[in-house]
Amino acid sequence: QQQVKQSPQSLIVQKGGISIINCAYENTAFDYFPWYQQFPGKGPALLIAIRPDVSEKKEGRFTISFNKSAKQFSLHIMDSQPGDSATYFCAASFNTDKLIFGTGTRLQVFP
Amino acid sequence: DGGITQSPKYLFRKEGQNVTLSCEQNLNHDAMYWYRQDPGQGLRLIYYSQIVNDFQKGDIAEGYSVSREKKESFPLTVTSAQKNPTAFYLCASSKDRGVTEAFFGQGTRLTVV
Repeated sequence: QQQVKQSPQSLIVQKGGISIINCAYENTAFDYFPWYQQFPGKGPALLIAIRPDVSEKKEGRFTISFNKSAKQFSLHIMDSQPGDSATYFCAASFNTDKLIFGTGTRLQVFP
Repeated sequence: DGGITQSPKYLFRKEGQNVTLSCEQNLNHDAMYWYRQDPGQGLRLIYYSQIVNDFQKGDIAEGYSVSREKKESFPLTVTSAQKNPTAFYLCASSKDRGVTEAFFGQGTRLTVV
């Protein structure tokens, strides 16, 4: 129940395309869903986050879509750029407890 | 500049030796965390601390130990009991018990030789 399942493991997208990464969870008590971006050899950094009282949050080219009934949330990267090439992690937490991370998606955007 | 500093960036250890990874933060955050990252396995929680002089085991605490004597410092010791210590170790902190944004350090890559 504590797991967050992330897919796909890797993703190749052409420049200008849409990148979509999906996550699913079981624990309905989760109340905070962030996405982190990690470049090689660096620590992850918060990209965007959502709480379950909204179904979508957009920040620039990055959008989180949240489906509470399906217990799924996804990251959409519009107009993907080579600089977006990184590993992306979804995560979840509940009631001020620790973050549970997905297994990560390696995104490669080719020009 | 505020942030989290991990040192060293690269660390080599002989089998059977204990080694300590440093993590310091000047963000005045109450909570600190240690994660281990292996290819294809995401970030797995080793230990976390939400207040000075207190810490809890995460999902993979065996073979590791921590201390939290000061708010700004949360060192991790990888002991000889850890069977497969070669990995990328990440330290993080967040403002308080309520996990909002977790800030990560740059990581320490530990290799057993």
